Amino acid sequence: EAGVAQSPRYKIIEKRQSVAFWCNPISGHATLYWYQQILGQGPKLLIQFQNNGVVDDSQLPKDRFSAERLKGVDSTLKIQPAKLEDSAVYLCASSLVGRGSSYNEQFFGPGTRLTVL
Amino acid sequence: AQKVTQAQTEISVVEKEDVTLDCVYETRDTTYYLFWYKQPPSGELVFLIRRNSFDEQNEISGRYSWNFQKSTSSFNFTITASQVVDSAVYFCALSGDTDKLIFGTGTRLQVFP
Repeated sequence: EAGVAQSPRYKIIEKRQSVAFWCNPISGHATLYWYQQILGQGPKLLIQFQNNGVVDDSQLPKDRFSAERLKGVDSTLKIQPAKLEDSAVYLCASSLVGRGSSYNEQFFGPGTRLTVL
Repeated sequence: AQKVTQAQTEISVVEKEDVTLDCVYETRDTTYYLFWYKQPPSGELVFLIRRNSFDEQNEISGRYSWNFQKSTSSFNFTITASQVVDSAVYFCALSGDTDKLIFGTGTRLQVFP
């Protein structure tokens, strides 16, 4: 079974530039998550989709971050414009079902390491 | 509010030593799940174990064992006879009424040969 795919693996940009990350979850997984992991910290949830609807984006800085999951499969996370403090690893995860069900394990992708100069 | 505390920032041991990673959590949910993940240098989070709040039985899987104590809100992880390949950052995490995972700050384990 293929795992969660993410691209690119690394990205270096200058502040005020824009950047986008892509995630392809495990086939059949209804729920998709984007996490931000700043160096030395644990991952923090940015946004959770169930199919193509948003169920939790309470910690997404909506003035600069946006995410979409068209057709309930792939997802993109965009930052525009980037700030120095956005330097982090962005992790995508997926699970079979979501809220309201007995717990399903989240499977994580390899992450995209973003450096903002 | 939910919170996970991993007080140990970094632990160094010599191969074959036993090591325990501490995790203390806070939640008001009556039903919750606790997790341990391993993050090797490659960066990918690897799931190790899930435990629900109604199951306080300790679990052993090979060299790994977990001690869950609701009375002290702790979910500690022990590696017996550590190996160099165990070197990684280990995260404890909590999930309550939603699927949202709340992670601790992680413990970096270095196992020296």
